[in-house]
Amino acid sequence: GESVGLHLPTLSVQEGDNSIINCAYSNSASDYFIWYKQESGKGPQFIIDIRSNMDKRQGQRVTVLLNKTVKHLSLQIAATQPGDSAVYFCAEKEDTGRRALTFGSGTRLQVQP
Amino acid sequence: DTEVTQTPKHLVMGMTNKKSLKCEQHMGHRAMYWYKQKAKKPPELMFVYSYEKLSINESVPSRFSPECPNSSLLNLHLHALQPEDSALYLCASSPGYGNEKLFFGSGTQLSVL
Repeated sequence: GESVGLHLPTLSVQEGDNSIINCAYSNSASDYFIWYKQESGKGPQFIIDIRSNMDKRQGQRVTVLLNKTVKHLSLQIAATQPGDSAVYFCAEKEDTGRRALTFGSGTRLQVQP
Repeated sequence: DTEVTQTPKHLVMGMTNKKSLKCEQHMGHRAMYWYKQKAKKPPELMFVYSYEKLSINESVPSRFSPECPNSSLLNLHLHALQPEDSALYLCASSPGYGNEKLFFGSGTQLSVL
């Protein structure tokens, strides 16, 4: 993940629009990626995950895209709702060695009614 | 039961105090984790327990002392903390170490005066 200093990048969207949250990673050995949603005062909540042998995976209203060539991950949320407002973190892991999740810097999603 | 329960939710302590954070899960998970999260930052791994044995210590200062009494419980003992240790402390569990999908508790918001 990338460091963004003291300020979280913020994505502001209108209710009903689609949202795209991006994440860059640097470890070419990472083979598993996961997106978490964190609402204020709560712990991170699992959204969707993807392994490096895939480039797309869909869930309910969410899609994760993985581009290993440029080490880029994105989370697409369809028909964004006010309840989607939160901070979103990507995380990555190697299958060998340390094998612990490393979180990237987050993105705050603000959904305007 | 798919919850990770952390107590207390909030804690204020002085630099000479001794306190403990507690974490409990009843999902049969064999790996448990402590993460530290500063405001507007991603969670940072502190400790990993696998089958009640300490597997990872991310060079955490000795004023933080983890304990795993059994497979369902995880404690973090705090002593002589510094104001910069003020943060949200998150507990997580997973079916096994190396199993990527972590289930997080809501955290303990710690303030050190």
